[in-house]
Amino acid sequence: GAVVSQHPSWVICKSGTSVKIECRSLDFQATTMFWYRQFPKQSLMLMATSNEGSKATYEQGVEKDKFLINHASLTLSTLTVTSAHPEDSSFYICSAVNRGAGDAAYNEQFFGPGTRLTVL
Amino acid sequence: AQSVTQLGSHVSVSEGALVLLRCNYSSSVPPYLFWYVQYPNQGLQLLLKYTTGATLVKGINGFEAEFKKSETSFHLTKPSAHMSDAAEYFCAVSENDMRFGAGTRLTVKP
Repeated sequence: GAVVSQHPSWVICKSGTSVKIECRSLDFQATTMFWYRQFPKQSLMLMATSNEGSKATYEQGVEKDKFLINHASLTLSTLTVTSAHPEDSSFYICSAVNRGAGDAAYNEQFFGPGTRLTVL
Repeated sequence: AQSVTQLGSHVSVSEGALVLLRCNYSSSVPPYLFWYVQYPNQGLQLLLKYTTGATLVKGINGFEAEFKKSETSFHLTKPSAHMSDAAEYFCAVSENDMRFGAGTRLTVKP
């Protein structure tokens, strides 16, 4: 099956620093990647949709200058949390889909293992 | 826009008992429906999905779900719970993007 990796799996940083999280599709080309945020004991909240070679589409309430998304290739998307603060501490999960294979909704999203960010 | 409601944030069953996790959806178009399982500090693993065709969908680990359009439901079942089934379960509906339910934590008692 399709494999999606995330790096790092966990990160601790100081308040005010920036953190970059990578999401890679290892054995398929991901025309679209999604970034989710999950608070403890809560569901996944979609932050943004990232299409290769174009700007990400952010969900309402998500600060695009705070959460920078780059999808420069068909196998890599990055999420950079800029000037991180303790309230940004969360579990960040990416997923990838190959929309070139057909209907976007039909295609299964393959999820990465997640990155736990702790901001001190 | 599509949405999902999972009834019951926490379900507890005894080992060997029936597992029933409830999911109702709202979608403006014929839905694509998914169930995912999440173990602590891990990503999501697909259990099963409904796209078109047979309304009873069988997935991994003995789980199955039935799409009932008249009830807008997609409940997840397993005839006999195992200790290893203890996890968080998410129902999701997809149009152009995927929306998740709040999740149901399944506890299995010995």
